[in-house]
Amino acid sequence: QVQLQESGPGLVKPSQTLSLTCTVSGGSINGGYYWSWIRQHPGKGLEWIGYIYYSGTTNYSPSLQSRVTMSVDTSTNQFSLNLNSVTAADTAVYFCARTRPSGVVVEYWGQGTLVTVSS
Amino acid sequence: QSALTQPASVSGSPGQSITISCSGTSSDVGNYKLVSWYQKHPGKAPKLMIYEVNKRPSGISNRFSGSKSGNTASLTISGLQPEDEADYFCCSYAGSNPFLIFGGGTKLTVL
Repeated sequence: QVQLQESGPGLVKPSQTLSLTCTVSGGSINGGYYWSWIRQHPGKGLEWIGYIYYSGTTNYSPSLQSRVTMSVDTSTNQFSLNLNSVTAADTAVYFCARTRPSGVVVEYWGQGTLVTVSS
Repeated sequence: QSALTQPASVSGSPGQSITISCSGTSSDVGNYKLVSWYQKHPGKAPKLMIYEVNKRPSGISNRFSGSKSGNTASLTISGLQPEDEADYFCCSYAGSNPFLIFGGGTKLTVL
């Protein structure tokens, strides 16, 4: 059973960079899947941030593309999210997930981690 | 593109059936057979319940079914059980701007 676990600071100051890592267990990150980040603002619905393939190919949401960078580390079976120039509007629960090769079906999710942007 | 529209809450008694709707547009739900549904219990990871409108992943009860008509997708849960009480989200492929969009979520209460 594939499991994913997000890790990173729970508090980030405005204008700084939000950095999160997702550790994948129970399966290889090289396995032909897409690795996604999705967030949920407090009391709101989910928002797709983007995904990365193990080769490094990415697809980002147009609304966040100018501030987002994703990377993958096959040696540690981890992938990461960097979101720069954050504001309070980036306060959310961030989920990492494994997506099927179509890139559309998000089949396994982490539990999510709350990141608060505040000074 | 705007988020998909779901009712904020639905409720039902054990054994009953309920349906949760997910309304989109001809650019997303109406244009692709690529709607997924997720169940989320508090503090737990979301769980895939339905994909590609009406397909169930291995291990998901056949009490859960999905359908689509025009720009609206639906999730039906039959024979409601207490453990079905959770939040449910729909998701649709939306092309490239953005790639995926989600609904606002529906809280299911089993009375």
